[in-house]
Amino acid sequence: RKEVEQDPGPFNVPEGATVAFNCTYSNSASQSFFWYRQDCRKEPKLLMSVYSSGNEDGRFTAQLNRASQYISLLIRDSKLSDSATYLCVVNPTGTASKLTFGTGTRLQVTL
Amino acid sequence: GAVVSQHPSRVICKSGTSVKIECRSLDFQATTMFWYRQFPKQSLMLMATSNEGSKATYEQGVEKDKFLINHASLTLSTLTVTSAHPEDSSFYICSAIFRTSGGLANEQFFGPGTRLTVL
Repeated sequence: RKEVEQDPGPFNVPEGATVAFNCTYSNSASQSFFWYRQDCRKEPKLLMSVYSSGNEDGRFTAQLNRASQYISLLIRDSKLSDSATYLCVVNPTGTASKLTFGTGTRLQVTL
Repeated sequence: GAVVSQHPSRVICKSGTSVKIECRSLDFQATTMFWYRQFPKQSLMLMATSNEGSKATYEQGVEKDKFLINHASLTLSTLTVTSAHPEDSSFYICSAIFRTSGGLANEQFFGPGTRLTVL
């Protein structure tokens, strides 16, 4: 089983739609969780950290369920510029920032 | 946010040659840098952790004699792919974190990546 699993997509949605991505992780002792965004042939960029209490940043909402080892990202009112690959990222060890990346979920927002 | 640069951004080389990739933190001192590799349609895979002034720690399955890492200063780490072969063709990305008074910063800052093509 992969350490971090995501549906690769692609998710093709019209502008304005709401879309949700899910991610599961295998190590129950994992310490911290993130969503990164990666554009084609570019480096990943931090979108948001994910907390047990859930957190929201504008149109983006992230949730963590430790019991189910499940992380989600909700994007409301999708924009064309949201088209990218969204990477679920886990710090499995608690040591300084050693990260494990999922393969990513590709989102394509269309007119 | 902090800026990390990589050089070169793209390199094409012949099989058997060695390629050096530089990773620099431009506006902070990076006590730890990470080197990742990403094949098409796959996730970033951590290759090694590079700490300034000490030997790099390699992940399982990564050959330390093939992928030489040198972190000689707080702003520069280099990855040398020795005797490169076509299967080494990949997107190599570095990242850096810096130490604050309270410990290591939580966020990794990624370089723009180096696309290596070995013919």
